Amino acid sequence: QKEVEQNSGPLSVPEGAIASLNCTYSDRGSQSFFWYRQYSGKSPELIMSIYSNGDKEDGRFTAQLNKASQYVSLLIRDSQPSDSATYLCAALSGGYNKLIFGAGTRLAVHP
Amino acid sequence: DTGVSQDPRHKITKRGQNVTFRCDPISEHNRLYWYRQTLGQGPEFLTYFQNEAQLEKSRLLSDRFSAERPKGSFSTLEIQRTEQGDSAMYLCASSPVRGANVLTFGAGSRLTVL
Repeated sequence: QKEVEQNSGPLSVPEGAIASLNCTYSDRGSQSFFWYRQYSGKSPELIMSIYSNGDKEDGRFTAQLNKASQYVSLLIRDSQPSDSATYLCAALSGGYNKLIFGAGTRLAVHP
Repeated sequence: DTGVSQDPRHKITKRGQNVTFRCDPISEHNRLYWYRQTLGQGPEFLTYFQNEAQLEKSRLLSDRFSAERPKGSFSTLEIQRTEQGDSAMYLCASSPVRGANVLTFGAGSRLTVL
């Protein structure tokens, strides 16, 4: 079992719709979670971090965390073609030393 | 502050050759990480340093791989006797000790082993 799992996609949504990206993790010791966006051929860039159960909003992005279910999600409202990228979910290892990444979900927003 | 710098950006080598990558982290960041990423996969942890001390190495890191951060500033990652399976993007990231969870990545060094 991979430590952080994501559907590889592609997830295709029309412009203006809500994109929902999901992630599960296996290490119950993980306390901090991150979403990175990676455009093709580029390096990952941090979008959001979340540490507590519930929702955290930042502009068009909302991260959700449910530690009991070991589930993290990212919602992107009013999706734009420029949001088309691979979204990487990452969990801080229980030893607080390193981020463990999922394989990423490829999002395609079509006009 | 120009962010995390990596050099070279691309390296093509023949199987069996040695290669070395360099990473210059953000100047005030104490922690430095190396990750490897192959097509369709997320970044895979290789090793990390806090200042000059290498604190953890992945079990996946064979003895052909070695990393150093001699003065707690830049770091090098050397791969000896390269194999075709080493072809990947090698990503360096750094973070401050406070807020150590938040990694800033460099642009990466792409290795192709022929």
